[in-house]
Amino acid sequence: EDKVVQSPLSLVVHEGDTVTLNCSYEVTNFRSLLWYKQEKKAPTFLFMLTSSGIEKKSGRLSSILDKKELFSILNITATQTGDSAVYLCAVDSNYQLIWGAGTKLIIKP
Amino acid sequence: NAGVTQTPKFQVLKTGQSMTLQCAQDMNHEYMSWYRQDPGMGLRLIHYSVGAGITDQGEVPNGYNVSRSTTEDFPLRLLSAAPSQTSVYFCASSKRSMNTEAFFGQGTRLTVV
Repeated sequence: EDKVVQSPLSLVVHEGDTVTLNCSYEVTNFRSLLWYKQEKKAPTFLFMLTSSGIEKKSGRLSSILDKKELFSILNITATQTGDSAVYLCAVDSNYQLIWGAGTKLIIKP
Repeated sequence: NAGVTQTPKFQVLKTGQSMTLQCAQDMNHEYMSWYRQDPGMGLRLIHYSVGAGITDQGEVPNGYNVSRSTTEDFPLRLLSAAPSQTSVYFCASSKRSMNTEAFFGQGTRLTVV
């Protein structure tokens, strides 16, 4: 059975800290791994990763994929209160997205 | 840009009632899907469509029907609501396949009493 596991489930840090969120997966036919940010409502797209070792970067956020060890990490540097959200990881397997339960990140001022 | 529009935003149903959640996108996306999101769990795929006239079941299809008569619209029907269907429902669309960015509607919070 395909599965995606995110850790930690929740994380509380202070503004300015750096955080690393983890996503591991076991799927039958990996096509890509996607990261989304979910604040109060709809998830919004952050990154899509298809190749190992190639870092995707957007401002203070970056992500990398390891297809040998079957995981991805999402890094957020110099965190701000606006980064507080649930971060979701999903893996495209056989044209269906398999979602992790998410990491709830809380940034304290 | 409207993107993906879901209606209603909130709904309360009695057990046994039926209803349709509406989803429309104006981006000419081929792929559309419905998810439910429950506390502590990831998004779970209910049904999806790869184009007009084509639908398929996802992980948790029981109790739900879909149709895709046009590219723009992908309604989700609850046939006979049950308390286990209390959840937040999201509609999503993407351009070619699920291997691209999916755009989500704002969600429908459904409570079945």
